[in-house]
Amino acid sequence: AQRVTQPEKLLSVFKGAPVELKCNYSYSGSPELFWYVQYSRQRLQLLLRHISRESIKGFTADLNKGETSFHLKKPFAQEEDSAMYYCALKLLGVDKVIFGPGTSLSVIP
Amino acid sequence: GAGVSQTPSNKVTEKGKYVELRCDPISGHTALYWYRQSLGQGPEFLIYFQGTGAADDSGLPNDRFFAVRPEGSVSTLKIQRTERGDSAVYLCASSSNRGNTQYFGPGTRLTVL
Repeated sequence: AQRVTQPEKLLSVFKGAPVELKCNYSYSGSPELFWYVQYSRQRLQLLLRHISRESIKGFTADLNKGETSFHLKKPFAQEEDSAMYYCALKLLGVDKVIFGPGTSLSVIP
Repeated sequence: GAGVSQTPSNKVTEKGKYVELRCDPISGHTALYWYRQSLGQGPEFLIYFQGTGAADDSGLPNDRFFAVRPEGSVSTLKIQRTERGDSAVYLCASSSNRGNTQYFGPGTRLTVL
C-alpha cells in the first residue's frame, strides 16, 4: 500500500545549523511529492513540490527514486522555520494525496 | 482575496448525533477536498469534488460519512450517528483545478463526547 513515513516526530536544531527533515515513501508508480508546512496558529500551506525544483524560504528537496526519499533540507536554520512539516505523496492519475505523520521542527535561538 | 473558510471552527456533540461541517472554497476554485486529521497524525484524505460531483470518495471511512457540493461551490460534510472515534480536525482545501496547489482552510475541530 502507498505510504509516507517521517521517522522524526520532533527535531530540534540551533539557529544557523543545517536542518534535514526526512521523508520516505512507498509507491510503485511515478510519484509526485510535496512538503507542506503549518506555522503556529496558521493553516496548512504548500512549501514546495518536487516538480518545481525550486528553493522556497531557503528550503530544497530532491526526489531520490532509488531510495524512495524526498528529504527537506536547509543549510542555515532560522527561528521562523519552527513549524510542523508534512511530507505528502500524490499518486499518478489520482487526486488523492497521502500525508506523512509530520515532523515538528524547533529552531533554538 | 478571501481564503478557504470553514464553519464552525469548533463543534462539540454527543455520541450518536448528526453533524454538518461547512466549507467555503476560494471563489472560482473547481476542485475541493476534505481531509480528517487526528491528533498526532497527518491529514487523511476523505473525498474530492470536481465541480458538483464527487470524483473520488475512496477515503470516506464508512457510510456514516457523506459530502455534497450541490452548486459546485460550498460543500458540506455530513456525519451520521457520530462516534467518539470521529473526533478530529476536519480540513477542507480547494484548488483552481485538478492537480493544482491546494489551499487549506483553518479546519473544524469536532469533539464527540
